[in-house]
Amino acid sequence: GENVEQHPSTLSVQEGDSAVIKCTYSDSASNYFPWYKQELGKGPQLIIDIRSNVGEKKDQRIAVTLNKTAKHFSLHITETQPEDSAVYFCAASLSDKLIFGTGTRLQVFP
Amino acid sequence: GAGVSQSPSNKVTEKGKDVELRCDPISGHTALYWYRQSLGQGLEFLIYFQGNSAPDKSGLPSDRFSAERTGGSVSTLTIQRTQQEDSAVYLCASSSPGTSYNEQFFGPGTRLTVL
Repeated sequence: GENVEQHPSTLSVQEGDSAVIKCTYSDSASNYFPWYKQELGKGPQLIIDIRSNVGEKKDQRIAVTLNKTAKHFSLHITETQPEDSAVYFCAASLSDKLIFGTGTRLQVFP
Repeated sequence: GAGVSQSPSNKVTEKGKDVELRCDPISGHTALYWYRQSLGQGLEFLIYFQGNSAPDKSGLPSDRFSAERTGGSVSTLTIQRTQQEDSAVYLCASSSPGTSYNEQFFGPGTRLTVL
């Protein structure tokens, strides 16, 4: 079955700097790759997703890139702000079931 | 409309007791998922319901875990004879074929503590 690895587990940046989180997946048939943000005490919330027919997608300060050959995808956050501090999860899916990475705790210091 | 709701928000129980966790999905969502999130860990898939199809139970860690979904809406996750290692946040999510591809909407979770 699918296996998703996520790095780093923690990431600290200064406000205004960029943050990059990387994930790899094992099943080459996976075709959907969402990213979720989880704030303290809340459930995860979708922030951006990408499908396997696209190499890059942007939404304001966040972007996701996908390398199907290498089976890895990354989340890029530019001009980080303190409110970006949260746990971020990547996931991969072939069908309706998502397989999640282990999460990255991002801290943005003012 | 309301999002996914879960109850209770917190549950403290003694080892060996049974617990029931409830999930109310977004109205009209045909798919419902249960996940377990242990402290500092990722989301571990438990079980998936889609419409009237047989549920995908492949993630249930033991036969002490079971789930039902009545009338295609509300779901209950039951853990029998709880153990301390069952302590975690249990998250429910729902999705609909009519929304963005596979987007899952999560509830706030139930924090289970087994003493």
